[in-house]
Amino acid sequence: DTGVSQDPRHKITKRGQNVTFRCDPISEHNRLYWYRQTLGQGPEFLTYFQNEAQLEKSRLLSDRFSAERPKGSFSTLEIQRTEQGDSAMYLCASSLGRDTVYGYTFGSGTRLTVV
Amino acid sequence: GDSVTQMEGPVTLSEEAFLTINCTYTATGYPSLFWYVQYPGEGLQLLLKATKADDKGSNKGFEATYRKETTSFHLEKGSVQVSDSAVYFCALRVQGAQKLVFGQGTRLTINP
Repeated sequence: DTGVSQDPRHKITKRGQNVTFRCDPISEHNRLYWYRQTLGQGPEFLTYFQNEAQLEKSRLLSDRFSAERPKGSFSTLEIQRTEQGDSAMYLCASSLGRDTVYGYTFGSGTRLTVV
Repeated sequence: GDSVTQMEGPVTLSEEAFLTINCTYTATGYPSLFWYVQYPGEGLQLLLKATKADDKGSNKGFEATYRKETTSFHLEKGSVQVSDSAVYFCALRVQGAQKLVFGQGTRLTINP
């Protein structure tokens, strides 16, 4: 297993279009997280899955955002009707077990540019 | 709410210099503390961690001590190398919570 994979690495889209990102976590990890990182800032939590259940969503995750994790494996993050303010790096991370005290494993991210 | 404040960057040092990146936190519960590093074009990597007061995390010559009395977790390295050039993030996770709360990051550049 080579770690957390995210696809695509870069996405340029026109305002108003829908985009979807994919994250493949480390195979034995049951927890999966999405974060958003804007330029010059630290990552901000968006949502978290344990297996296929979405257990927590940030208020940053507006109605235009939806995330899924069917079968508790890969996850997708969809943004509908993109806005320029959605331009950011979208990070996925995964972890194993009940206690994340050891931190997560992050992917390299998907950089979204909305023009 | 929970928050992390890091010293503003960018920080530029010469090779073999001593490094300190300050980090202070505010938490509603009892947090675990982390330093993550992000090299150019790569994802965030866990550098070190501490889970309780007075714990010292260490890795790759970097150290940070969990100071509950000053709510701080400053990152230090005695002699930096060019390969340490990266963005460093301090983060916390409150006990019982799943999410990490990050600081804004500090960009470090080491010149030969």
